[in-house]
Amino acid sequence: QQQVKQSPQSLIVQKGGIPIINCAYENTAFDYFPWYQQFPGNGPALLIAIRPDVSEKKEGRFTISFNKSAKQFSLHIMDSQPGDSATYFCAASKGTGNQFYFGTGTSLTVIP
Amino acid sequence: KAGVTQTPRYLIKTRGQQVTLSCSPISGHRSVSWYQQTPGQGLQFLFEYFSETQRNKGNFPGRFSGRQFSNSRSEMNVSTLELGDSALYLCASSLRGADTEAFFGQGTRLTVV
Repeated sequence: QQQVKQSPQSLIVQKGGIPIINCAYENTAFDYFPWYQQFPGNGPALLIAIRPDVSEKKEGRFTISFNKSAKQFSLHIMDSQPGDSATYFCAASKGTGNQFYFGTGTSLTVIP
Repeated sequence: KAGVTQTPRYLIKTRGQQVTLSCSPISGHRSVSWYQQTPGQGLQFLFEYFSETQRNKGNFPGRFSGRQFSNSRSEMNVSTLELGDSALYLCASSLRGADTEAFFGQGTRLTVV
């Protein structure tokens, strides 16, 4: 059973567009929600993370929106660039320990 | 400061053999987690070690095991390799665990033939 559901599976946007990737979870014990970016041949790189007591967090061109009541969170990439073309994963964890439950990933392509 | 280092980067093994993968966390980090990444199953948690103790374990068979040393370096072992074990094995380190950021290494690409 997928504990974190991610959509869409793939996304194509024009340069300057704002791709939005969505994730949903069921387990209300989750209390930490990171987003990772992965390029082919590399491990995932932490982009930005949020906790349930905050509804929005911005770091550079990346914004997480968090809706605790709906158990959903999303990643927005402002002014997207071709260099942002990668696979993006949302994740969730709970309590003590570093056990992440990952979404299935979104392959983003930004067209010049 | 240096990131998470995994060795080797690539490995080819034969069915039935065993393999050991190594992970050196970021200096000062005490938590090391291991993940398996495959196209079909995505990123799946194997286990986590903190201060030389296994703190969490995922749903993998007993052929998958690990350990952590006093310097926080960790090793993962897979015995009696199966074709389905072919995957990218990733380790992530963090200062303490879930309340701190986790950083991944580049992974070890294991191919079982």
